[in-house]
Amino acid sequence: GAGVSQSPRYKVAKRGQDVALRCDPISGHVSLFWYQQALGQGPEFLTYFQNEAQLDKSGLPSDRFFAERPEGSVSTLKIQRTQQEDSAVYLCASSLGQEKRQPQHFGDGTRLSIL
Amino acid sequence: GNSVTQMEGPVTLSEEAFLTINCTYTATGYPSLFWYVQYPGEGLQLLLKATKADDKGSNKGFEATYRKETTSFHLEKGSVQVSDSAVYFCALYIQGAQKLVFGQGTRLTINP
Repeated sequence: GAGVSQSPRYKVAKRGQDVALRCDPISGHVSLFWYQQALGQGPEFLTYFQNEAQLDKSGLPSDRFFAERPEGSVSTLKIQRTQQEDSAVYLCASSLGQEKRQPQHFGDGTRLSIL
Repeated sequence: GNSVTQMEGPVTLSEEAFLTINCTYTATGYPSLFWYVQYPGEGLQLLLKATKADDKGSNKGFEATYRKETTSFHLEKGSVQVSDSAVYFCALYIQGAQKLVFGQGTRLTINP
């Protein structure tokens, strides 16, 4: 497709379950980012990939959060043993490269609700 | 550290009014600055950007000028429309950090 695609669009899980969120970046985009957006707040950085290499995971809130991009294209954000505080919109973004002039293009996000 | 502070919302205006949404930043390097817009039920869309001091970004009638001396990037539009109702986010990007840092967002509602 033309834009960043995320799935599922909505996810409801019970506390303690594991979830996996998928991101398909724009074709050819080298850089991929995950952000977490709590209700009424701005997005906050979670992690960054350049191709398949995860270069920064400083924003991941705990070791329950894990992200991968094994072939340098599709990425998956996994949350293990979900907690209620994990409820948020998870945004994926991609860009052509590292240059600051290259804007990040965002998907529509996955809204995660933990019951 | 790096941070962005936006004018608190919500902001409610009448159609054709003049809009200003204030944004100031703190940065340890030379950031690029962005405004993103989030329409109801949609993802973030890039509205405009400026990559160095004194640059002016513009799009869809919106403008913002990168002011290094006041560390600001205020968003302006001369005559707003109902369709401009959305949440607006100011953000900075520092190349070494490889991430966007967002403000908390400002919800704008335009009444006909």
